[in-house]
Amino acid sequence: GAVVSQHPSWVICKSGTSVKIECRSLDFQATTMFWYRQFPKQSLMLMATSNEGSKATYEQGVEKDKFLINHASLTLSTLTVTSAHPEDSSFYICSAPDTFSYNEQFFGPGTRLTVL
Amino acid sequence: LAKTTQPISMDSYEGQEVNITCSHNNIATNDYITWYQQFPSQGPRFIIQGYKTKVTNEVASLFIPADRKSSTLSLPRVSLSDTAVYYCLVGVGDMRFGAGTRLTVKP
Repeated sequence: GAVVSQHPSWVICKSGTSVKIECRSLDFQATTMFWYRQFPKQSLMLMATSNEGSKATYEQGVEKDKFLINHASLTLSTLTVTSAHPEDSSFYICSAPDTFSYNEQFFGPGTRLTVL
Repeated sequence: LAKTTQPISMDSYEGQEVNITCSHNNIATNDYITWYQQFPSQGPRFIIQGYKTKVTNEVASLFIPADRKSSTLSLPRVSLSDTAVYYCLVGVGDMRFGAGTRLTVKP
């Protein structure tokens, strides 16, 4: 199956700094990618839909100025957590749909963010 | 948008068949049913997808009754490595996850 990568796999940062997480589709093009966050023992929460060449669509309650999404190419979407605080510590995951079956999503391995 | 309801948790033993049912009473005509598996600290993995009746692949089977208001994921002869959270999603590109079912396989 297709592969989606994320970088970094984990990151520790100080409160107040910004952190960028990359999501790449390695062997296919993705005009749309999805970003999620997941707290321990909880389900994935959809944060936003990233659209290549246009603005992301954010879910209700997600601060678009805090979680900046850029989908600059058909294989790369980035999520920047701005002015991170300890409550932003979470597991961030991205996914991209299969080229032929939109409902089949390929997920990245996730990025563990810890804000001190 | 269809909402889904699954059991929060299930226990099983190695070698048994496990059936996880998902209820989706408000499923729309063009909605597909997709199941994912997630291990701790990993991204979910696609298991199977269907629209109606029965779908089978090398990993699982998916049973969908005629009214499509529910679906059952069937895992044959589970092993310890099948211990994971299983999510049922319904829709066309709708990636809002429900709570999922935490399956624990015991030796």
